Amino acid sequence: AQTVTQSQPEMSVQEAETVTLSCTYDTSESDYYLFWYKQPPSRQMILVIRQEAYKQQNATENRFSVNFQKAAKSFSLKISDSQLGDAAMYFCAYRSGLGGGSQGNLIFGKGTKLSVKP
Amino acid sequence: GAGVSQSPSNKVTEKGKDVELRCDPISGHTALYWYRQSLGQGLEFLIYFQGNSAPDKSGLPSDRFSAERTGGSVSTLTIQRTQQEDSAVYLCASSLVSEGGYGYTFGSGTRLTVV
Repeated sequence: AQTVTQSQPEMSVQEAETVTLSCTYDTSESDYYLFWYKQPPSRQMILVIRQEAYKQQNATENRFSVNFQKAAKSFSLKISDSQLGDAAMYFCAYRSGLGGGSQGNLIFGKGTKLSVKP
Repeated sequence: GAGVSQSPSNKVTEKGKDVELRCDPISGHTALYWYRQSLGQGLEFLIYFQGNSAPDKSGLPSDRFSAERTGGSVSTLTIQRTQQEDSAVYLCASSLVSEGGYGYTFGSGTRLTVV
């Protein structure tokens, strides 16, 4: 079974600085997708960025980028020029690329709480 | 609708009572998932619906939990004889397709408190 591990329960960053959130995963599959979700106090999970395992190029979305190391099974999220609105829980998630249905279920890590200091 | 809508937003119930949680997915989304988020934990998969197919109930923690999806749209998660350990945020997510690298659109969840 696949697992996702986020080893940093809490992180803190100064406004305008850069922070990196760590995520590792375990799988025997070669085809899969990885995601970072943001959960603010409103509770709604918001997709931040996603990465296809077959792509070597790291995904980037504005101030958010990932460092995807497939061999090491590592998928870290870098937030540049941190803003107060970035404060939230961040969840790393894995999705199998094999078939659909419940095999397409997202497997989540336990999350990292990010605080942004003004 | 424009997003995934869940109701109620918060629910406090007495131990032993039954509760119903509602999820209204984005129109046209055929895949629907229910997750449970306990305090300090990640999301735990509960049940999956795809169109009119039989649901995948493999994540339901006990037979007190059940769910249905009427007309391939609105879904209701029912918890019978609630226990204190059922206290959690219940999140619903929908997706246009069930395959591929699509992430899901989540609702804001229902916070259930069993007292």
